[in-house]
Amino acid sequence: GAGVSQSPSNKVTEKGKDVELRCDPISGHTALYWYRQSLGQGLEFLIYFQGNSAPDKSGLPSDRFSAERTGGSVSTLTIQRTQQEDSAVYLCASSLFSGKETQYFGPGTRLLVL
Amino acid sequence: ELKVEQNPLFLSMQEGKNYTIYCNYSTTSDRLYWYRQDPGKSLESLFVLLSNGAVKQEGRLMASLDTKARLSTLHITAAVHDLSATYFCAVDIRGYALNFGKGTSLLVTP
Repeated sequence: GAGVSQSPSNKVTEKGKDVELRCDPISGHTALYWYRQSLGQGLEFLIYFQGNSAPDKSGLPSDRFSAERTGGSVSTLTIQRTQQEDSAVYLCASSLFSGKETQYFGPGTRLLVL
Repeated sequence: ELKVEQNPLFLSMQEGKNYTIYCNYSTTSDRLYWYRQDPGKSLESLFVLLSNGAVKQEGRLMASLDTKARLSTLHITAAVHDLSATYFCAVDIRGYALNFGKGTSLLVTP
């Protein structure tokens, strides 16, 4: 079946602009996660959704970052007033439920802030 | 703060040889995951280890978990070129957030 999909696959933006990154989880998966992968920081957890609720937003780096999930499906990660240090690959994952479930990752969005 | 340490970070090995990658973590957890990442690609799940003493094998890879020692190993048997990739271990202590190690970049040469 279809895996996790993300769009766009690549995004180049200018410093100060806002960007939106989209994630479509595997159908039927109730839990959705955002991570960031960068050379300097490795793989970092950003936020987790169970259904449409985000019980843990502690990984978001600053208040410029926000995320929402609608209909228990699609999620959008928004970065406002982008900075060069936001350049990274943003990975989305989903799992059937949270807990001891395997998280299945999407292909990622590669963000470059000039 | 949970720390997850992998070693080695870089590994070059000849085809046919055996080797082990180690993953140590600092806080008690009974959930440990191994992922593979090919260059420019996303993360592919390899193993999920959910109890002390758990051992899982797939092809030339075998993973084990010792929760008392806070240690997981990924053993490679008779390496082949197709195993060249970066391998990450990840520990979950909250039930949803994976804490990843820095990854082990494996290169298998003829």
